[in-house]
Amino acid sequence: DAGITQSPRHKVTETGTPVTLRCHQTENHRYMYWYRQDPGHGLRLIHYSYGVKDTDKGEVSDGYSVSRSKTEDFLLTLESATSSQTSVYFCAISELSTEAFFGQGTRLTVV
Amino acid sequence: AQTVTQSQPEMSVQEAETVTLSCTYDTSESDYYLFWYKQPPSRQMILVIRQEAYKQQNATENRFSVNFQKAAKSFSLKISDSQLGDAAMYFCAINSGNTPLVFGKGTRLSVIA
Repeated sequence: DAGITQSPRHKVTETGTPVTLRCHQTENHRYMYWYRQDPGHGLRLIHYSYGVKDTDKGEVSDGYSVSRSKTEDFLLTLESATSSQTSVYFCAISELSTEAFFGQGTRLTVV
Repeated sequence: AQTVTQSQPEMSVQEAETVTLSCTYDTSESDYYLFWYKQPPSRQMILVIRQEAYKQQNATENRFSVNFQKAAKSFSLKISDSQLGDAAMYFCAINSGNTPLVFGKGTRLSVIA
């Protein structure tokens, strides 16, 4: 299995609070992604990174920010969590033109 | 933009039988890659099979095979000799070059003993 770890695995937070999810890889892959999974929507891309400090927005980026200061770490931040951000969040890694490997997911509940 | 459509939200199959999951896609790229991922109840995303668009031969991995129809932009997954452990959500996905994976909405497969 690809060395990719998400933390935390589960989190419950209150509306309006900031939340940061962490993705850590040991594979030295160039690309890292954050997706959210919701019933009936499949996996939708939030943000992705193609190198240290190089990031771009995905399909559902509003309300989210990311940072990548090191190759191995990709952080997803919800500046002020809302109930619509209750979801399962997946981090993924890949090299150019290859399949992506996924973390185990983080279930985030905003109450 | 690339899009993926899975028109079957749910499917079921009898154990030991064969089932085919449908996927159509749209892309303006000439060089791209197609994937099927499996997501069991554990939530882990598992790569089942991949197909490079430039390859005419359909990919096969044990009981899993694809029917890749490039002109029709179709990429179906066939599961032979279905097993109880095949019950899962299945996602079709596409990427090209350095673009991120784009997923379909998934098909939930049930296997009936």
